[in-house]
Amino acid sequence: DIVMTQSPFSLPVTPGEPASISCRSSQSLLHSNGYNHLNWYLQKPGQSPQLLIFLGSNRASGVPDRFSGSGSGTDFTLKISRVEAEDVGVYYCMQTLQTFTFGQGTRLEIK
Amino acid sequence: QLQLQESGPGLVTPSETLSLTCTVSGGSISSTSYYWGWIRQPPGKGLEWIGSIYYSTTTYYTPSLKSRVTISVDTSKNQFSLKLSSVTAADTAVYFCARQANWGSGLFYMDVWGKGSTVTVSS
Repeated sequence: DIVMTQSPFSLPVTPGEPASISCRSSQSLLHSNGYNHLNWYLQKPGQSPQLLIFLGSNRASGVPDRFSGSGSGTDFTLKISRVEAEDVGVYYCMQTLQTFTFGQGTRLEIK
Repeated sequence: QLQLQESGPGLVTPSETLSLTCTVSGGSISSTSYYWGWIRQPPGKGLEWIGSIYYSTTTYYTPSLKSRVTISVDTSKNQFSLKLSSVTAADTAVYFCARQANWGSGLFYMDVWGKGSTVTVSS
């Protein structure tokens, strides 16, 4: 299995400040066509996960442009340029190269 | 707008089979552009992908559950289903169904999720 490792486990952020979450995979997720088999999700409290970023760096429909995904191969980053109160929840990366696996999650909270 | 809704028993007896159905509305489950998947989340824990199905023909499952899982599609009802046999307390979780978009070249992402169905395994 491909192991996905996220950091940090918990992320307290002041509203208006930036935030960054790291996701590393145990093997390269880079496809020969340049896309990565890596997606980001946010699970808000009491809700189902929602897609934020797909194929490494593509924002899903309706996702604010303060969210961005970057990285390639084994190292990926989700960045929030200015955190808002509604961004609270658990963020997960997920690989789809081989029988899909998720990272353990990063809990973002407001200071 | 596409919506997915999970349904099934909230309580299952140990050693029995867990059965859940996901009803798709606002779109056709027969679309060749999408797969359909199941994901679960034990209480207080992270997400675990269970498996996916494509057009009633192709299924693939996470290795740790493969011997106990069956996913199937009923196109006449626009539904897909999950069966998990020989359940134990470790299978207690919220079970989500999701649409899996197929970008091509083996690139996928879950873009629409159901609200989830809580299943407890207990006698």
